[in-house]
Amino acid sequence: DGGITQSPKYLFRKEGQNVTLSCEQNLNHDAMYWYRQDPGQGLRLIYYSQIVNDFQKGDIAEGYSVSREKKESFPLTVTSAQKNPTAFYLCASSTDSNEKLFFGSGTQLSVL
Amino acid sequence: KNQVEQSPQSLIILEGKNCTLQCNYTVSPFSNLRWYKQDTGRGPVSLTIMTFSENTKSNGRYTATLDADTKQSSLHITASQLSDSASYICVVSEAWGGYQKVTFGIGTKLQVIP
Repeated sequence: DGGITQSPKYLFRKEGQNVTLSCEQNLNHDAMYWYRQDPGQGLRLIYYSQIVNDFQKGDIAEGYSVSREKKESFPLTVTSAQKNPTAFYLCASSTDSNEKLFFGSGTQLSVL
Repeated sequence: KNQVEQSPQSLIILEGKNCTLQCNYTVSPFSNLRWYKQDTGRGPVSLTIMTFSENTKSNGRYTATLDADTKQSSLHITASQLSDSASYICVVSEAWGGYQKVTFGIGTKLQVIP
C-alpha cells in the first residue's frame, strides 16, 4: 500500500524529555511537512522539507527539530523547550508546493 | 493576514438529507482552494480542488463551488450517509507562495444521525 505512516499513534512525554515522532512515506514525494492541530484552530505548519538534507522552519518551529536524511523519512523531535506540546501532530507529503497533501494518520502527544 | 473562515462550526443532519458548508477567505493572490475530509483521529483526505477559473466541481456526492470575486466557496453533500460524519476543512493556497503559503480553516464538524 502506498502512503504515509506515522508512529506511534499515541505518545506521552514527561517534563524535560525529548520525544521523536516518526513519519515514513513510500509515495516518492519530494516534499514533506509537519503540522500541529489544536482544538479550535486550523493546522499550523511546524517544518517542511523540499528535498533531502534540506528543511525550512514553518510558522511555529520553536521547540521542535527535524531531519531529512532520506527521501522517505522526516522525523520530528519535540524538545523540552516546547512548553505546550499536547496536540495532534500530522505529517504530510506532496509532489510539489501546488499539489494536494497526503496526510498520515497522526500522532496524539500528551504530557504526563 | 490571510484568513480562512468556515461556517457553521458544527452541524447535525439526518441520514439522507443534504447539507452545505461554507468557506470565506481573504487569501490573496489566490492560487487554489481545496476541501479535505478528516475523520476523527485520522489525517485529512483531499476531496476537491478549485482553481480561479472553476465555478463548480463534483466528486460523487460532494459538489464544491467557488466564487473568486466574493472569495467564497461551498461544499454541498447530497443524500448524506453515516460515513459522511467527519470534519470538513477548507484550505486556500496563495499564488507564488510556495510551501509555506497555505492557510487552513478550523473546519466544520458534521454529524449524520440515523
